[in-house]
Amino acid sequence: EPEVTQTPSHQVTQMGQEVILRCVPISNHLYFYWYRQILGQKVEFLVSFYNNEISEKSEIFDDQFSVERPDGSNFTLKIRSTKLEDSAMYFCASSVSGYATNEKLFFGSGTQLSVL
Amino acid sequence: AQKVTQAQTEISVVEKEDVTLDCVYETRDTTYYLFWYKQPPSGELVFLIRRNSFDEQNEISGRYSWNFQKSTSSFNFTITASQVVDSAVYFCALSEANRGSTLGRLYFGRGTQLTVWP
Repeated sequence: EPEVTQTPSHQVTQMGQEVILRCVPISNHLYFYWYRQILGQKVEFLVSFYNNEISEKSEIFDDQFSVERPDGSNFTLKIRSTKLEDSAMYFCASSVSGYATNEKLFFGSGTQLSVL
Repeated sequence: AQKVTQAQTEISVVEKEDVTLDCVYETRDTTYYLFWYKQPPSGELVFLIRRNSFDEQNEISGRYSWNFQKSTSSFNFTITASQVVDSAVYFCALSEANRGSTLGRLYFGRGTQLTVWP
């Protein structure tokens, strides 16, 4: 079964450094998403992306965050200047479309980001 | 206000017991979608089921069943004859469709940690 692939599985960085989290969505999917899960807390929506632009973003997704689809397969999340509170598991997800009544999100295995 | 409430933080059962995970949601939208995801110890989120607000049919898939009750805004998940491999965190999630949101903005509950002992 096709799956969403995320790299790296773990990333450790120093506070203030830039990080890029990478994702390869399922090949025929058109909508892409980032979610995060702070340890022990619920999964939270960050951003959705379609047709090379942001469709929706949450209040968490401030100017420190950006997303990009640099080529036909990768989807990246950049955190410009990491803070301690950015430490979390970051999940990439994709779906075929955004509105179909039978749609569902396929999630990757996540990247655990630790900011020291 | 929480859009999705999973009041049970942790549940422990012994293998072969039945267990029900509760989910209560809150929305003003008339069209919405409900989901259950499983997060095993390995960390990934695994899709289990999606239910549309206009379809109140309950569903059974093997040992899993879901009870959707619009009158009480609940979407409960029952595992029959639980197994050790069912041990995981289970998340209920809601997506609202009437405000121009893409489907993808899921509002998750805090999850229920299910432990099944042999």
